[in-house]
Amino acid sequence: DTGVSQDPRHKITKRGQNVTFRCDPISEHNRLYWYRQTLGQGPEFLTYFQNEAQLEKSRLLSDRFSAERPKGSFSTLEIQRTEQGDSAMYLCASSKHRQVNTGELFFGEGSRLTVL
Amino acid sequence: LAKTTQPISMDSYEGQEVNITCSHNNIATNDYITWYQQFPSQGPRFIIQGYKTKVTNEVASLFIPADRKSSTLSLPRVSLSDTAVYYCLVGLFNNAGNMLTFGGGTRLMVKP
Repeated sequence: DTGVSQDPRHKITKRGQNVTFRCDPISEHNRLYWYRQTLGQGPEFLTYFQNEAQLEKSRLLSDRFSAERPKGSFSTLEIQRTEQGDSAMYLCASSKHRQVNTGELFFGEGSRLTVL
Repeated sequence: LAKTTQPISMDSYEGQEVNITCSHNNIATNDYITWYQQFPSQGPRFIIQGYKTKVTNEVASLFIPADRKSSTLSLPRVSLSDTAVYYCLVGLFNNAGNMLTFGGGTRLMVKP
């Protein structure tokens, strides 16, 4: 399978704990995106990388959230001191940067976080 | 950022054609229109994309009028497996980092 893969698929944690999600994009894609989705809502943009550079962060990405893409390949999203409001599906997507980026994103299956 | 407006939900029956319209009044000149499909507990999946007029692929057709302030996703002869949420996105990534924004989507229920 050469699609976007995310790990873990499900994570249950207690409030105050730290969690980390990993995303492996499609190998030739140099752009990687993180979205968050709550029940009944559309995905909300969090941040994106071009290669290893984090180019934009949403105001939704509080100080407790940090994302990295150290070698321009896989990425991690860490949430520190989790809160119940962090419970959501965290989606990763990738795309290949072109002269004109038309917005065709390839999404992974998501990592569902439940904070108790 | 161009914002989109879609119906919250639609019902249809197997074998019917379904048309979902998305309004995007402040679409920018360089923006493309992209539609995604999402099943429960899965990530969104790209369906179709267009800039103007009509685009057709093996899954759907996309109709875009000349003013580009709206677009219509057409699903021919839907089946039960087409029950999903459909998102219309308008936007373009560029070096300045403009982001694509997902709206609330349209929840399509296909009945037997």
